[in-house]
Amino acid sequence: EDQVTQSPEALRLQEGESSSLNCSYTVSGLRGLFWYRQDPGKGPEFLFTLYSAGEEKEKERLKATLTKKESFLHITAPKPEDSATYLCAVRGPGSARQLTFGSGTQLTVLP
Amino acid sequence: DADVTQTPRNRITKTGKRIMLECSQTKGHDRMYWYRQDPGLGLRLIYYSFDVKDINKGEISDGYSVSRQAQAKFSLSLESAIPNQTALYFCATSDFYGDNEQFFGPGTRLTVL
Repeated sequence: EDQVTQSPEALRLQEGESSSLNCSYTVSGLRGLFWYRQDPGKGPEFLFTLYSAGEEKEKERLKATLTKKESFLHITAPKPEDSATYLCAVRGPGSARQLTFGSGTQLTVLP
Repeated sequence: DADVTQTPRNRITKTGKRIMLECSQTKGHDRMYWYRQDPGLGLRLIYYSFDVKDINKGEISDGYSVSRQAQAKFSLSLESAIPNQTALYFCATSDFYGDNEQFFGPGTRLTVL
């Protein structure tokens, strides 16, 4: 059974204070690791897909990295508008093509 | 206009009532999904459909049914609602080639008393 654990559950940062969110996963044959952003009262919004260990992707102040056991979402010099819940999900092999989501990290960036 | 819409956005109902949540999309995607989100549990897949004639159970389908009326419409029904079905429900879509990117609707907050 695929499992995804995100830490910390909540993170408060001062504006400009860089940090990282962690996503640890267990899946037999990773077919993709996904990061989503979710704002209050809205559905998740896709950020990145990573497929293999060593892969990195960047978007503005966010950079996602992947190892064989975990992924990190690095936030550089965050701004208050980066406040949101960040969700990680994995897809394993098989025809179901289901995503298994973690419970998320709620990030608050204070001005 | 939003690409993925859900109705209603909020619903309060009583135990034993039949409830239908509706999802429509204008993205032209073949694949549609229903998830529920509970605090501390993340998003869990209820049902998914890869085209109008294809319906598949997800991780937590018990107590739910779905109908794919058209490429653009996918409805979720609770035949006899129970309190532990109180949750936030999301519809999502994706296409065959961009299947890794799912587009989510704004969600329906359902409360079963």
